[in-house]
Amino acid sequence: GQNIDQPTEMTATEGAIVQINCTYQTSGFNGLFWYQQHAGEAPTFLSYNVLDGLEEKGRFSSFLSRSKGYSYLLLKELQMKDSASYLCAVRDSNYQLIWGAGTKLIIKP
Amino acid sequence: EPEVTQTPSHQVTQMGQEVILRCVPISNHLYFYWYRQILGQKVEFLVSFYNNEISEKSEIFDDQFSVERPDGSNFTLKIRSTKLEDSAMYFCASSEAGGPTDTQYFGPGTRLTVL
Repeated sequence: GQNIDQPTEMTATEGAIVQINCTYQTSGFNGLFWYQQHAGEAPTFLSYNVLDGLEEKGRFSSFLSRSKGYSYLLLKELQMKDSASYLCAVRDSNYQLIWGAGTKLIIKP
Repeated sequence: EPEVTQTPSHQVTQMGQEVILRCVPISNHLYFYWYRQILGQKVEFLVSFYNNEISEKSEIFDDQFSVERPDGSNFTLKIRSTKLEDSAMYFCASSEAGGPTDTQYFGPGTRLTVL
């Protein structure tokens, strides 16, 4: 079966750094996406990785290791508005997006 | 910045009724998708659509569901004979192409409540 695992919830302090991990087992791999979702809103695209390594985009970076079936999203200089769920999604061999359950990130002042 | 729009934002219906959820994808996008997210659960793929036909669908997308692109801008999801368990947030998404590097952009969603 296809499976994507992320921690359910994480807590961090404003101004700090947090790393959200994602491990996956899917039928084929055509890229990994990170989306941010505020409660009651649509997922918004954050990053995309298809090759191994780190992709940096401002305060957010995403890392991929295909051999380990592993990715992480790194958020720096945390702001209160970063409080949201972070969804890891993998595009499988059928180009379908398979979603993790999301990691709820709570930022404390 | 172009965005995907969806109407209505909230739909309440009685069990057994038909509903049509509407989406206007980003204008130069060619691939369209529907997803659903039951409250507190993960996003689930329903269907993808390209060139006026379904390209992929999940096990959830049974005969109760259908999609249509009735004109050059709208993309609709019809749910026939709604069930209580159809209550969820339904998201439409679109992408410029369907290849591995193409990012899907999501609309704000329609919250469907079946009573």
